[in-house]
Amino acid sequence: AQRVTQPEKLLSVFKGAPVELKCNYSYSGSPELFWYVQYSRQRLQLLLRHISRESIKGFTADLNKGETSFHLKKPFAQEEDSAMYYCALNGIRGGNKLTFGTGTQLKVEL
Amino acid sequence: KAGVTQTPRYLIKTRGQQVTLSCSPISGHRSVSWYQQTPGQGLQFLFEYFSETQRNKGNFPGRFSGRQFSNSRSEMNVSTLELGDSALYLCASSLEGQAWEQYFGPGTRLTVT
Repeated sequence: AQRVTQPEKLLSVFKGAPVELKCNYSYSGSPELFWYVQYSRQRLQLLLRHISRESIKGFTADLNKGETSFHLKKPFAQEEDSAMYYCALNGIRGGNKLTFGTGTQLKVEL
Repeated sequence: KAGVTQTPRYLIKTRGQQVTLSCSPISGHRSVSWYQQTPGQGLQFLFEYFSETQRNKGNFPGRFSGRQFSNSRSEMNVSTLELGDSALYLCASSLEGQAWEQYFGPGTRLTVT
């Protein structure tokens, strides 16, 4: 069975401070991991995937297979980063069966 | 390009009734997935349809079913509604081979009384 855990429901940081949103997963094979984001009054959308190893809006995430983690990081938080962040895992090749974590609400305070 | 659309946006039903929700994917997207979102359980995968066939399925009872039409539009049906079925039902579409990039609709808010 695949499982995604996001231990923090709410994370509050000041503008300019570093951000780390935690995500741990449980999966027996080689997972595909993603971060999705939902800004206020907008639809859920893909932020980044581990395979691409890109930096999107200053966010990065590294897959650590030893610790089964995929934490999302940003060195300097901006007010516009305030949103709900979901970590997700897809254990299916050639299709979709995304398992989402329960989400972390990030609040960036001025 | 128009985004994923879902109808209706809000629905109130009584226990024991059945309901059908509709989803129109982005043009060119042949994969459509359905999710249930509740405060207690979060976002849970229901099923994925591709080329009119159910390709993947989550852990939901048989009361939850779906189908996909030749134009990729999809419907989801819930029979014998229970109070616990009250939720936001999200539909998402994706390109073939890019199932990891789900484009979500606004959702249908179902309330069961």
